[in-house]
Amino acid sequence: AQSVTQLDSQVPVFEEAPVELRCNYSSSVSVYLFWYVQYPNQGLQLLLKYLSGSTLVKGINGFEAEFNKSQTSFHLRKPSVHISDTAEYFCAVSDKGSQGNLIFGKGTKLSVKP
Amino acid sequence: DAGVIQSPRHEVTEMGQEVTLRCKPISGHNSLFWYRQTMMRGLELLIYFNNNVPIDDSGMPEDRFSAKMPNASFSTLKIQPSEPRDSAVYFCASSGTADVNTQYFGPGTRLTVL
Repeated sequence: AQSVTQLDSQVPVFEEAPVELRCNYSSSVSVYLFWYVQYPNQGLQLLLKYLSGSTLVKGINGFEAEFNKSQTSFHLRKPSVHISDTAEYFCAVSDKGSQGNLIFGKGTKLSVKP
Repeated sequence: DAGVIQSPRHEVTEMGQEVTLRCKPISGHNSLFWYRQTMMRGLELLIYFNNNVPIDDSGMPEDRFSAKMPNASFSTLKIQPSEPRDSAVYFCASSGTADVNTQYFGPGTRLTVL
């Protein structure tokens, strides 16, 4: 069965510092990978996704993620964060034959301090 | 495009009452997903439909929960009778054939059962 592990439940950082949010998955088949962001009292918004091709994926708001098949990881990075990046970030995985059925991690709360 | 629409945004009810949550997917999308989000369990897929047909309802917690999709533009999630442990945020999401792996989320319904 698939599963997604987000290793950090909370990540506090200062404004303009770099950040990495970690995500590991387990699956016996080929997968698609996603990062979603949830701002307070809102629904989830897609940040970026890996379907195929280049393992480095660029998304909205300056975020990027790298798919590492050997380490079954899909870590999210941003070189310089802003206060407005404060939100909860969810990693998700989908089997390529699953009609889009997503399995989500528990989420990482990013808190950016001035 | 209006995005995924959910109603109501907030619902407060008493234990034992029937609760109905509503969702209008993005026009043209043919897959619809219902999720529940709690602090303890994170985001859980309850059920998903493809072309109005329920495909996987293994995430529905028990017989008190039921979901319908009478047409391509409307779905309901019903809880009868409701219990305090059903308190959560319920999200609806939809995806289309052009990009089956990308789900677009509604703003959610925050349910409180007293």
